[in-house]
Parts: sequence; structure tokens; C-alpha cells
Amino acid sequence: GAGVSQSPRYKVAKRGQDVALRCDPISGHVSLFWYQQALGQGPEFLTYFQNEAQLDKSGLPSDRFFAERPEGSVSTLKIQRTQQEDSAVYLCASSSQGPDTQYFGPGTRLTVL
Amino acid sequence: QKEVEQNSGPLSVPEGAIASLNCTYSDRGSQSFFWYRQYSGKSPELIMSIYSNGDKEDGRFTAQLNKASQYVSLLIRDSQPSDSATYLCAVPVFKAAGNKLTFGGGTRVLVKP
Repeated sequence: GAGVSQSPRYKVAKRGQDVALRCDPISGHVSLFWYQQALGQGPEFLTYFQNEAQLDKSGLPSDRFFAERPEGSVSTLKIQRTQQEDSAVYLCASSSQGPDTQYFGPGTRLTVL
Repeated sequence: QKEVEQNSGPLSVPEGAIASLNCTYSDRGSQSFFWYRQYSGKSPELIMSIYSNGDKEDGRFTAQLNKASQYVSLLIRDSQPSDSATYLCAVPVFKAAGNKLTFGGGTRVLVKP
């Protein structure tokens, strides 16, 4: 079946703009994760959803970052008033449940000018 | 000390040789370990998982786990130019709220023909 999809694949924003990144997980996957990957680094955890419940948002770097998954499927990561340090690849991953294998989407590369 | 550590490389190996990648982790309670491969500009792809001490072989890949030493390694036999990528070691952090992955910084592998 279809894998995890993300859109847009590339986003260029001017500093101070708001952006919204979308993740469409594998159908039926309960768990959804957002990670941030800076150039040359490993992915860093941002937040976790189990169905529509956001159970862990400890990795969100500031209150400018907000994520939601209102119907337990598609998720949106929103970044308000973007800053240059927000430039990174944002990866979404999903898994069927619990500690099962996480499958990653292609990522959204955000560049803040 | 970072929770998951890897040598950043690059690890340069001739075609046909064995590439040996190392990863150490800090949480003695960790029970499962994953190796992801990430090609430049692409998302992480799971290649190996290991849960028990010892070796696990899958094709040209062998994962080795030593929980007493908090050490997990990945061997790539008969290395091919197509193996040139960054290899990420990932360890789930189990909490009541889910199992986010903690990644090492990745080891870049270059296989030279």
C-alpha cells in the first residue's frame, strides 16, 4: 500500500511567516511522530500522537511550534513566526502501534530566509 | 553525554570490503535497537532491528548487540557503491506516552569502486 506522504516537499518562507506542514500516515497506523533533522545531524523528536491524542510534545522547541491530528489520521505541524533556525527537514513517521517499526515519509525541507 | 553516539565519519571502504559501524547508547534499560539507512536528500529507511544480545544477519547486513557494554554495531559485507549513505542508529525511549526514537548523529559511509 501507499507509504507515508508529506506536503509540501519544499517550502521557502520569509522570516516571520507562518507555515503549515502536512503528513498523511500509512492507513490504519495509530502512532504518528514528527522529527526535525538539521543538516548533517540525526533526526530529533518533536511530538507524538496516538490516534488524535497528542501524548508527548516534549521535543517542540518553542511555543511557536504547534501540531494537531484532529481525526486521528492526517497531521499538520504549524510553525508561527518562522526564524532562520527553523530551517531543517521535517520528517513524519507512523507505526501501527506501540514500539512497532516506524516508517518515515519523504520529509519537508523548510528554508527560512 | 548524548543518549546515542556514533562516529560521524566519513568511513571510506573499498568495494567488496566489510564496513563496520559502531553505536553506543546511555540508557541501560533499552531493549530494542534499529539501524536506518539514509541516502542524501532522502528519508531514513529501516534496514535492521535487533532485540537480543548476539548477532542478527540479514543478507549482507549483520547487527551485533552487547547490552552489557551498551554497544550495537552494523557490519556491511561485500560493500557496494550503492551502500554509500549515512547510517543512523536509533534507540526507542519507552515512556507511558509512547516510544519516540532517539537517533545518533549518523555515520557517513563511502564505498569506493
